[in-house]
Amino acid sequence: ETGVTQTPRHLVMGMTNKKSLKCEQHLGHNAMYWYKQSAKKPLELMFVYNFKEQTENNSVPSRFSPECPNSSHLFLHLHTLQPEDSALYLCASSQDPTDTQYFGPGTRLTVL
Amino acid sequence: EDQVTQSPEALRLQEGESSSLNCSYTVSGLRGLFWYRQDPGKGPEFLFTLYSAGEEKEKERLKATLTKKESFLHITAPKPEDSATYLCAVQAILRGKLIFGQGTELSVKP
Repeated sequence: ETGVTQTPRHLVMGMTNKKSLKCEQHLGHNAMYWYKQSAKKPLELMFVYNFKEQTENNSVPSRFSPECPNSSHLFLHLHTLQPEDSALYLCASSQDPTDTQYFGPGTRLTVL
Repeated sequence: EDQVTQSPEALRLQEGESSSLNCSYTVSGLRGLFWYRQDPGKGPEFLFTLYSAGEEKEKERLKATLTKKESFLHITAPKPEDSATYLCAVQAILRGKLIFGQGTELSVKP
């Protein structure tokens, strides 16, 4: 595997389900990010981790819970989501928070 | 407040018809301006970083330029495979996070 990988690529869940998105980067970077991309809207930064420590939470609802066990892996735990949470969720990584960010392919999430 | 506006929202070109995409920005101290390409259902792919006014970078049929208020992505003799959404983002010196524009959806017809 190379670059930034995300699983699953597609996810359909009900509002009462609990699921997790996984991101792994193979670039030796230290910073990782979660973004939300909704139709016709700019990418919205959700969370930033640097050396496994969360450095930014962009006022994200608590139904989204991130986890960063090491610099190569990032998870987004989902519970009690709303239909408006349906979007493409993108993971990215960079050498440090000021460096160029490289994105994964995204997880297309649909909340029924 | 840091802000990025891209125009046009959508652009349709014939193969070989050169054009430019615009990215206007306001930021309190620019660290860098980034261009990405995004294909449908995929993540953004990094193209260029520009750091200072007057800087230019090229890659195949693409050339990015930067002034103190805007950046242009020039596409010379485009091909259908250049069809994608092009995203612009800025990063302020004091804040590491990227502020993205809404993108320009480019369609190149043969």
